[in-house]
Amino acid sequence: EIVMTQSPATLSVSPGERATLSCRASQSVSSNLAWYQQKPGQAPRLLIYGASTRATGIPARFSGNGSGTEFTLTISSLQSEDFAVYYCQQYNNWPPYTFGQGTKLEIK
Amino acid sequence: QVQLVESGGGVVQPGRSLRLSCAASGFTLSSYGMHWVRQAPGKGLDWVAVMWSGGNNIYYADSVKGRLTISRDNSKNTLYLQMNSLRAEDTAVYYCAREGGIATGWFDPWGQGTLVTVSS
Repeated sequence: EIVMTQSPATLSVSPGERATLSCRASQSVSSNLAWYQQKPGQAPRLLIYGASTRATGIPARFSGNGSGTEFTLTISSLQSEDFAVYYCQQYNNWPPYTFGQGTKLEIK
Repeated sequence: QVQLVESGGGVVQPGRSLRLSCAASGFTLSSYGMHWVRQAPGKGLDWVAVMWSGGNNIYYADSVKGRLTISRDNSKNTLYLQMNSLRAEDTAVYYCAREGGIATGWFDPWGQGTLVTVSS
């Protein structure tokens, strides 16, 4: 089973600033990685797939990068609606499909 | 409009059974891989099961194998999760999710979730 590790667990950033979230895989997942955003009481929402392709309707301030075992999600200028929990997920080696434990992005 | 709506959650005693439903609209369920993902209270996301579009390929997480069964009714465009021998650790919000495309591996969209609480 591929273990996904996200860092940091919590990230405090001011609105308008840049946020960079990290995700590491225990073995290579090529570019088969997705990012999701989850707000309290809501279902996750797909942001990025293929490590760097934005999903339909996702603003350009969200960008994904990386391949192999190291990945990043960058939000270039944080808006109030971006404060949420973010998860990475690998779909290269399955079953199981595995998620990171999440990074909580909070307002500084 | 593509939409998934789960139902069937509730409070159930350990060892009992429950069946969750996921009604799909805006697309044909049988044309896509469909997943169940769960989230324990205050915890992260945990993949549970997948049924591929052909219906013959089904996979489960080890933690649920032999107790949870994924199925679908094409005539009702509905996905199911039959949950037997429930344990306290099965307590979670259960989401159904469609694969973003044919055999893609990412999940989009997700339903709103249904809460299952296993407690005596």
